[in-house]
Amino acid sequence: VQPVESGGVVVQPGRSLKLPCSVSGVTFGDSAVSWVRQAPGKGLEWIAFRRSDAYGGITEYAAAVRGRFFILREDSKNIAYLQMDSLKEEDTGIYFCVVAPDYDVITATWGQGSLVTVLS
Amino acid sequence: QIVLTQSPSASASLGASVTLTCTLSSDHRGYTIAWHQQQREKGPQFLMKINGDGSHKKGDGIPDRFSGSSSGAERYLTIAGLQSEDEGEYFCQTWGTGMVFGGGTRLTVL
Repeated sequence: VQPVESGGVVVQPGRSLKLPCSVSGVTFGDSAVSWVRQAPGKGLEWIAFRRSDAYGGITEYAAAVRGRFFILREDSKNIAYLQMDSLKEEDTGIYFCVVAPDYDVITATWGQGSLVTVLS
Repeated sequence: QIVLTQSPSASASLGASVTLTCTLSSDHRGYTIAWHQQQREKGPQFLMKINGDGSHKKGDGIPDRFSGSSSGAERYLTIAGLQSEDEGEYFCQTWGTGMVFGGGTRLTVL
């Protein structure tokens, strides 16, 4: 179980941030990457999904972040990123990446959480 | 639209067993779901997936005292021999257009 990163990052509204996703023991090349966030004291909210290139690289984004957030992949380095643009205060929360085999996306491996605070 | 319904809270004594329930919306009663555990101040951990026929597959390293089953639209997570470290939030999850989560059940070990 991964601990949640304490402290995290504080960013002003309207600015951008790029969160890394690196999960040990997982090969990114044949994995789908998702991002899930958790607002303070709240439940889990899915926000983004991207399949591997072998599965067409299909992407899906929740309405709350569509057009502002994007999943970037560097499969050769076994790392992915969540590019977050035009940040809003309601984007504040802990962000988790989730990696799963493209052929069985229900079987998830969670990455370490990153605390993002959007504050003017 | 897929909806997963969970009771907000549950409690049981140390060493006892507890069963948590996740109910799928009726149009999606055959869907496979996953159970995730989130201990206090930690990130979630995948416990198992449960198919509509009740078969289930646990994640690596998940103890035998965690088991899953299914009946109709309901998916169950049973924890036997409760330990203090089992306390936390339990989320069920499936896939629609993206991951769909239940509201979570906060488990207290008495």
